[in-house]
Amino acid sequence: ILNVEQSPQSLHVQEGDSTNFTCSFPSSNFYALHWYRWETAKSPEALFVMTLNGDEKKKGRISATLNTKEGYSYLYIKGSQPEDSATYLCASTTGTASKLTFGTGTRLQVTL
Amino acid sequence: KAGVTQTPRYLIKTRGQQVTLSCSPISGHRSVSWYQQTPGQGLQFLFEYFSETQRNKGNFPGRFSGRQFSNSRSEMNVSTLELGDSALYLCASSFPENYGYTFGSGTRLTVV
Repeated sequence: ILNVEQSPQSLHVQEGDSTNFTCSFPSSNFYALHWYRWETAKSPEALFVMTLNGDEKKKGRISATLNTKEGYSYLYIKGSQPEDSATYLCASTTGTASKLTFGTGTRLQVTL
Repeated sequence: KAGVTQTPRYLIKTRGQQVTLSCSPISGHRSVSWYQQTPGQGLQFLFEYFSETQRNKGNFPGRFSGRQFSNSRSEMNVSTLELGDSALYLCASSFPENYGYTFGSGTRLTVV
């Protein structure tokens, strides 16, 4: 993996469904993996920053896992609500480079 | 605690003109990064400033430049605007560096 890739590109679920997204990133020289939630017309909101292999983080109904050896992270949303509708971005930083390399995001739409 | 403030929110410029965008980071944050998002593209890294020095630069032409002031506020300048420069420009500030990044709401630039 040379770039940060996210799948699926978009997702449409019903309220109450649980869902998950994938982020693949270059595993060489890895420093940190970031997840953001971005609602239209707002600023991206930081969800998680993870650095260690096997890291698991949780914030309410949202959780994330990290595998730095194989270069992937999963974001899970349990019991999706309409207010979870947003674009979810992941980004990696490598080495000492102080820049985020973003995937193109997963657009989630939750309907009643 | 005030967030990252970007001004102006919207801007319309004509091809060939130049433009300056401003970003005020969270108080105490010394690192400011700039990103560009164009339709269909993910967020692309422009450059990063730390203590008034450009520390990292993305793959953008020399028409894109920036600077940082002693109070950590940053400006980004684009000269000789092209239609393809129409985009959302986001800045992010960070402390500690290379860890958590907080984004502003962005400046939407339209070049006509």
